[in-house]
Amino acid sequence: QSALTQPASVSGSPGQSITISCTGTSSDVGSYNLVSWYQQHPGKAPKLMIYEASKRPSGVSDRFSGSKSGNTASLTISGLQAEDDADYYCCSYAGSSPLYVFGTGTKVTVL
Amino acid sequence: QVQLQESGPGLVKPSETLSLTCTVSGGSISSGSYYWSWIRQPAGKGLEWIGRIYTSGSTNYNPSLKSRVTISVDTSKNQFSLKLSSVTAADTAVYYCARVAASGTTGAWFDPWGQGTLVTVSS
Repeated sequence: QSALTQPASVSGSPGQSITISCTGTSSDVGSYNLVSWYQQHPGKAPKLMIYEASKRPSGVSDRFSGSKSGNTASLTISGLQAEDDADYYCCSYAGSSPLYVFGTGTKVTVL
Repeated sequence: QVQLQESGPGLVKPSETLSLTCTVSGGSISSGSYYWSWIRQPAGKGLEWIGRIYTSGSTNYNPSLKSRVTISVDTSKNQFSLKLSSVTAADTAVYYCARVAASGTTGAWFDPWGQGTLVTVSS
């Protein structure tokens, strides 16, 4: 099972919106609504931002939203802020070994 | 609020066994429908799922590591552990433990995570 494909980098100015794509296959993203997204600042542990493709955990800003269509999931950050400058990883449940597949990661730069 | 903390040697010699423990605080490891997982991240690279365990002792492993990995749980100590045998330099990484929350009966997302611990494989 290969890693899910994400763009290596995405950038935007403060206040803008950006979208990160996460492309998998019909065996993972396409088969389950179990895509999650994680934010990781340098030297820190990943933090859950989105689960079940579009649900936001308590405490996560509503500027973060998720969606899924077919084999591709997306994370949108609206009203970009300096603190959003971080790495972002998607992850999908895959049902068979390996049970979980992570994305390649996207570096978000706030200009 | 549940918190996780990894512990174990930061330096392991090639061909030896890496051993880490994750201590769960703020809640019982046996409560709720959760799996408990290990994930690693080599420096400058992405995340790799290693395996998971349910408190019944049932395990699932990444096939790429399955022959070398053992994950166990000690509910009396509120801990679960990772053993990775025959390590090489390629196993050098930050190792994270995480709780796997369930959607129905399917473990689906990782939250929370431990802070991570760097394990270096070197002689």
